[in-house]
Parts: sequence; structure tokens; C-alpha cells
Amino acid sequence: GAVVSQHPSWVICKSGTSVKIECRSLDFQATTMFWYRQFPKQSLMLMATSNEGSKATYEQGVEKDKFLINHASLTLSTLTVTSAHPEDSSFYICSVEALTSSYNEQFFGPGTRLTVL
Amino acid sequence: TQLLEQSPQFLSIQEGENLTVYCNSSSVFSSLQWYRQEPGEGPVLLVTVVTGGEVKKLKRLTFQFGDARKDSSLHITAAQPGDTGLYLCAAINSGGSNYKLTFGKGTLLTVNP
Repeated sequence: GAVVSQHPSWVICKSGTSVKIECRSLDFQATTMFWYRQFPKQSLMLMATSNEGSKATYEQGVEKDKFLINHASLTLSTLTVTSAHPEDSSFYICSVEALTSSYNEQFFGPGTRLTVL
Repeated sequence: TQLLEQSPQFLSIQEGENLTVYCNSSSVFSSLQWYRQEPGEGPVLLVTVVTGGEVKKLKRLTFQFGDARKDSSLHITAAQPGDTGLYLCAAINSGGSNYKLTFGKGTLLTVNP
């Protein structure tokens, strides 16, 4: 399967600042990546689908101007949380879509823990 | 978007016990995946089930897909502390040029030594 990394693994920032999270596909050219958010003891909620070379598709209720996604290459997608607030504190996870055998599969990164003070 | 109900939400058992986790929907699944997530890490795919009535085994884990493809279960035999984690089912929703996953709320399993 695809190997996915995220950077940073954790970040603490002040309220009002912006934070960029990187998602890299290390051994696979990913046309499509996904960004999820996970609050403590809850499940993963899809935020947006990131497509290389085009605009991201956001899920209902996710502010595209607040969560900026850039997928400029087949190995890198970035999520920028702009003007972060404490309620944005969460675990952000990206995944890479890959076709393996007969199914589409997603391979997940290790996640980034964001804490906004 | 398909809604998935997982039960139980929390499960704490002793090493060696058996357990079953359930995933249900009011809609038919085209296919369904089970993931396991450890704290501070991303989910890892365990299995994909596609055919109604399908049973797949992965060592001590047995996955079943209901005949009507509206429910699935994960059974663990002789649980070990290393099985501790969050177990998530996810429905595969395909549409347009992408496919998306909709996750259930998960079952947090703790296996005590």
C-alpha cells in the first residue's frame, strides 16, 4: 500500500494565527487525497477531497476560506487552518486514494494534533 | 451520505475473551471496510467486504457482511492486549470521479491483561 506522512505530527499555536499541515505520499503518485478531522473519542469526519491541479471539494459545513487546501503536486497536499481558534483544536488526518486489486482504498497518514491556545 | 451505527461504543474486556462489534445502516452498502486506529495514529485498513453474506478471516478476526448488505460484524476470538484500539467501519460511497468513505462512530476496545 501507499506510505503517507504528515508534518508536523503536532503543533501548538496562538488563537488568530495560521497553521499549515503537509501530507505527503512517499511512494505513490496521488491524484486524490482526503482531509479528515477527528475530535477526541469521535470518528473521522471528511472535510474535503483534494484533487491534484484543481480546486478541492469541501464537505457541507466546512468553510473553504478557513481551511485552505493546496494539492500542487502528485505527492503533496497541504491544509492551512487560517485564523485558528480553540474550537479548531483537533486531530487532522489525511489519506491517499489508491486503486489496489479490485477496490479503491485509502491509506492514511499518522495525523497531526493541532492545539490552539 | 450513508449513516452508520456502530455498537457498542465502548468495550472493556479481559485477555482471552471473545467479542463482537456491529455496524448497521438503514441503507444498503455497496461495500464496507473495517479499520483499526491506535491512539495518535491514522486508521489502518483491516478488510473490505463487498458481497452479501461474505465472511472474511484475518487471523483471530472474523468479518461478516449481512446478506442484505445493510449490516456487518467484526468478531475477535481470544482477544489480546494488542487488539486494543478504535475499530471503525466505513461505507464506501462512490460518485462522480471520486469515492468517499463515511465512517461510523467507532468502537473503543480495551483488552486488559
